[in-house]
Amino acid sequence: EPEVTQTPSHQVTQMGQEVILRCVPISNHLYFYWYRQILGQKVEFLVSFYNNEISEKSEIFDDQFSVERPDGSNFTLKIRSTKLEDSAMYFCASSELGRATDTQYFGPGTRLTVL
Amino acid sequence: GDSVTQMEGPVTLSEEAFLTINCTYTATGYPSLFWYVQYPGEGLQLLLKATKADDKGSNKGFEATYRKETTSFHLEKGSVQVSDSAVYFCALGRRNTDKLIFGTGTRLQVFP
Repeated sequence: EPEVTQTPSHQVTQMGQEVILRCVPISNHLYFYWYRQILGQKVEFLVSFYNNEISEKSEIFDDQFSVERPDGSNFTLKIRSTKLEDSAMYFCASSELGRATDTQYFGPGTRLTVL
Repeated sequence: GDSVTQMEGPVTLSEEAFLTINCTYTATGYPSLFWYVQYPGEGLQLLLKATKADDKGSNKGFEATYRKETTSFHLEKGSVQVSDSAVYFCALGRRNTDKLIFGTGTRLQVFP
C-alpha cells in the first residue's frame, strides 16, 4: 500500500541553524501538507501546497518557514533559523484531492529537537 | 473558531472490554469528522470518517456516529484487543479550507 515517507526520523540541531525536513508524498497525490505537534499539544496545520505554490498557511508559518517541491517526488519544509520553540514532531501529509474534507495521508513524522 | 475536544488519556482497558473515546466539536455548519490512529513509530492513519449528520463511519470494528445535535463524534469499539493500543485523534475538516483541526489525542492502552 502506498505511503508517505519522511526523513530523517529524528533531527537534533542547534538554535539558529537551518534545517530541512524531507517528505516523499504518495505518487499520484497532488496536494501536500505540513503539520506539527509540540509535545503535549494538538496537531497544528502549518501549510498546504498545490501546483508548486502555497495554497494556504497558518499564522505559525511565518517568514522563517518555507516549502518546496524540488523534484517530482520530494516535498521539503525548511526552517531558516531554528528556535527552541520549534522543537516538535513535524508531519507531512498528502491527498489526491484538495480541501480538508478529502482524506489526508500522513507520514510517520520527524522529531525535531532544537538545543 | 472551529475546535475539537477529546477526553484525556490514557485510557487503560483489559482485552475484550468496551471502548468509548469522547470527541466533541465546535463549528458552524456541517464539517466532515475524522478519527485518525497513530500506532507506535508510525504516522497518523485514517481510521474512519463521516461527512454529514447521522452518518456512521466504521472500520476494523470501530464506529463513530456524527451527532449534530450534541456536536459529538464519539469513537466506540465493542471488544478491544492489545493491538488496538495506540493514540487516537479526532479531527474536523471543511470544504473551504485545507487544514484539518485536531484534538489533543487520546492514548489507549489495552492489557491482556
